[in-house]
Amino acid sequence: GAGVSQSPRYKVAKRGQDVALRCDPISGHVSLFWYQQALGQGPEFLTYFQNEAQLDKSGLPSDRFFAERPEGSVSTLKIQRTQQEDSAVYLCASSIRTSLPYNEQFFGPGTRLTVL
Amino acid sequence: DQQVKQNSPSLSVQEGRISILNCDYTNSMFDYFLWYKKYPAEGPTFLISISSIKDKNEDGRFTVFLNKSAKHLSLHIVPSQPGDSAVYFCAAPASGGSYIPTFGRGTSLIVHP
Repeated sequence: GAGVSQSPRYKVAKRGQDVALRCDPISGHVSLFWYQQALGQGPEFLTYFQNEAQLDKSGLPSDRFFAERPEGSVSTLKIQRTQQEDSAVYLCASSIRTSLPYNEQFFGPGTRLTVL
Repeated sequence: DQQVKQNSPSLSVQEGRISILNCDYTNSMFDYFLWYKKYPAEGPTFLISISSIKDKNEDGRFTVFLNKSAKHLSLHIVPSQPGDSAVYFCAAPASGGSYIPTFGRGTSLIVHP
């Protein structure tokens, strides 16, 4: 079966533009995570969904960041009024489980966002 | 304040030799650790994990060692192969019982033929 897919793979935005990043998790996976990975850093947690419920958004860096998963499958991460510091790779991961073991997160290839 | 630290940004090893990647952590509440492997333009993939009730876990050429008193773990790859060239991330749950891992900055491993 297909893995986690993300689109677009690359996005260039002018400062101040809004962007929307899409994640298609593995079919049937309950949990969905978004991470931000800056250059030379590890992935940093942004937000977590269990089905359509956003259970944790503590990692979202500002109110310009918004995520949704309205039907419990596809998720969209939206960034409003993009800033240069938003430039990073945005990773999506899904898991069939809602709890342990942690190793069952499957990552997508990421969307590389560059804000000029 | 990094709770999971990988202090070596890169490591170069000859094919056939051992690769040792190190990871230190600060939170003594961490009870589970994972290693992920990442190729360029791909997402991380799970490699191996270890629970704090163990001090060693082995899977083929990959072995992870955990030293709880030193808050240190290491990933050994024996023998190293050119296909092992990738960035390796150490990760641990953000807090006891959490499902959300905290990642280190990664170590880029290059295995020369």
